[in-house]
Amino acid sequence: TQLLEQSPQFLSIQEGENLTVYCNSSSVFSSLQWYRQEPGEGPVLLVTVVTGGEVKKLKRLTFQFGDARKDSSLHITAAQPGDTGLYLCAGRGTSYGKLTFGQGTILTVHP
Amino acid sequence: NAGVTQTPKFQVLKTGQSMTLQCAQDMNHEYMSWYRQDPGMGLRLIHYSVGAGITDQGEVPNGYNVSRSTTEDFPLRLLSAAPSQTSVYFCASNGRYYNEQFFGPGTRLTVL
Repeated sequence: TQLLEQSPQFLSIQEGENLTVYCNSSSVFSSLQWYRQEPGEGPVLLVTVVTGGEVKKLKRLTFQFGDARKDSSLHITAAQPGDTGLYLCAGRGTSYGKLTFGQGTILTVHP
Repeated sequence: NAGVTQTPKFQVLKTGQSMTLQCAQDMNHEYMSWYRQDPGMGLRLIHYSVGAGITDQGEVPNGYNVSRSTTEDFPLRLLSAAPSQTSVYFCASNGRYYNEQFFGPGTRLTVL
């Protein structure tokens, strides 16, 4: 069974601060995805990283896939209240169609 | 396109009752999955399907049944509801060559 450990579980910060969320595993994944979930809705894909060492940027969000494809990070610069939500990492193993999710990080950005 | 739809949105059951959560997608996706989401535990895979007539167990399959008679529909059946099945259930689909999973809006189930 592949496991993904996501940290921190909760993050409460002020508007304008920077933050990083981590996703770690002892298993290798073929790709790693980050989702964002609003209350009462399903998760929505933010990004997929596939290559070890890959870095992708989405406005103020920077995603990195570890060289060994076992870990990933999400860095948000100058957080805004609109960034508030649940962030989930998910790894895809060798079996297509199956994702393993981390526990999630609840981010609250205060004005 | 409606994407992935789920019904009902909310449901309350008594212990021992059975029910079916409905899921449908109109994107012609081959892959469909059912997850449950509990606080602090992320999303856990219950059952999944790689095509009509093909299903397999995920991480937490006990107490749930699925079938896939068409590409569009993937219902989840609770055979005899238990309080431990109180959760939010999400259905998702993705195409064979697309990495992104599209999620439905979820069903919030409470078992008393």
